[in-house]
Amino acid sequence: EDQVTQSPEALRLQEGESSSLNCSYTVSGLRGLFWYRQDPGKGPEFLFTLYSAGEEKEKERLKATLTKKESFLHITAPKPEDSATYLCAVQALGGSQGNLIFGKGTKLSVKP
Amino acid sequence: ETGVTQTPRHLVMGMTNKKSLKCEQHLGHNAMYWYKQSAKKPLELMFVYNFKEQTENNSVPSRFSPECPNSSHLFLHLHTLQPEDSALYLCASSWTLGQGLLSGANVLTFGAGSRLTVL
Repeated sequence: EDQVTQSPEALRLQEGESSSLNCSYTVSGLRGLFWYRQDPGKGPEFLFTLYSAGEEKEKERLKATLTKKESFLHITAPKPEDSATYLCAVQALGGSQGNLIFGKGTKLSVKP
Repeated sequence: ETGVTQTPRHLVMGMTNKKSLKCEQHLGHNAMYWYKQSAKKPLELMFVYNFKEQTENNSVPSRFSPECPNSSHLFLHLHTLQPEDSALYLCASSWTLGQGLLSGANVLTFGAGSRLTVL
């Protein structure tokens, strides 16, 4: 069964304190792994797609990496505006159109 | 208007009411989706429409009835709901997934959601 597990559930950081969020996945052939950011009262906002092990993508203070079993979202020198829930999702090769398997998310709080 | 727009943003209804959620996408995409987000649970896919045709119903109870009159508009008709149906209902759109291993993956653009409370 395709599955996504994110850890930790919640993470509290001081401004400037770098850390990583983990996304472990089990999928019968990976079509793509996604990272989304969700602010309270809003829908998820797309950040990255990763397709194969070893791939890395960066955007401002965020860097996503991918192995065959997990993905990490590294946050370097975070700012309070990085506070949000970060969602990881996978799409299986045999999966149907738009059928993304999501994790429960990691709620990140960055204090000034 | 840009992106994916959902209305209403908040809805409170009784168990015997009938209401509808509306979604409109301004991205030129040809696939639209309804997802459900409940507290402490992952997002769950409910329905998929490709070029106005429903291609997936993820075992959703019949009290949820989708309608897609064209590639830009999607509705979710609600009737005789239960309190456990209270959740954030998210609409999303994307390009249709191509065929083959090199066709990439669906990048979904989500709306802000409709927060539904069933009393």
